[in-house]
Amino acid sequence: GQQVMQIPQYQHVQEGEDFTTYCNSSTTLSNIQWYKQRPGGHPVFLIQLVKSGEVKKQKRLTFQFGEAKKNSSLHITATQTTDVGTYFCAGDNFNKFYFGSGTKLNVKP
Amino acid sequence: DTEVTQTPKHLVMGMTNKKSLKCEQHMGHRAMYWYKQKAKKPPELMFVYSYEKLSINESVPSRFSPECPNSSLLNLHLHALQPEDSALYLCASSRQDGGYEQYFGPGTRLTVT
Repeated sequence: GQQVMQIPQYQHVQEGEDFTTYCNSSTTLSNIQWYKQRPGGHPVFLIQLVKSGEVKKQKRLTFQFGEAKKNSSLHITATQTTDVGTYFCAGDNFNKFYFGSGTKLNVKP
Repeated sequence: DTEVTQTPKHLVMGMTNKKSLKCEQHMGHRAMYWYKQKAKKPPELMFVYSYEKLSINESVPSRFSPECPNSSLLNLHLHALQPEDSALYLCASSRQDGGYEQYFGPGTRLTVT
């Protein structure tokens, strides 16, 4: 069955350091989305990637979709304490939507 | 209005109780979803409604019964739950089913005693 794995599971960084989370699917995805869930909160949509090799930027966040459309990454430059939370990728395959296992980011001030 | 609302925020129920979770959106979205999220785990898809019809049931036990009375409302009826069903239940909606961004509600924190 469909599996979407993320690494690392946890990441602790000092404020100002960079952070990257990687997402890998066992099957080709039609698109991939990224969500952020703050502690005690609900998932909030960040971005969607559709095209093979696509790169999108949102301020300090850079999102990439792999050429084979089976992997993706989220990179945060110069983390801030407001970046704390769990980042999930979510892949769509034949109208079934699967969340990755998530990467929990902790930022020390 | 880009909000999905869910009631109640918290629910404690016994294993013999019957209760319902409610979800509402007024964004004109035609797809609505129920997810279950256990602590430190990702949301797990339970049901998808597309144009008020159930399109996906991810092999969810029959003690969970979804209902979509109209395009704005989604209910989840609960009966004879088990303690392991305790979790955060999230509702989401999207413009249509099939790869559109999903808007999540704040969730209902369910405890089964």
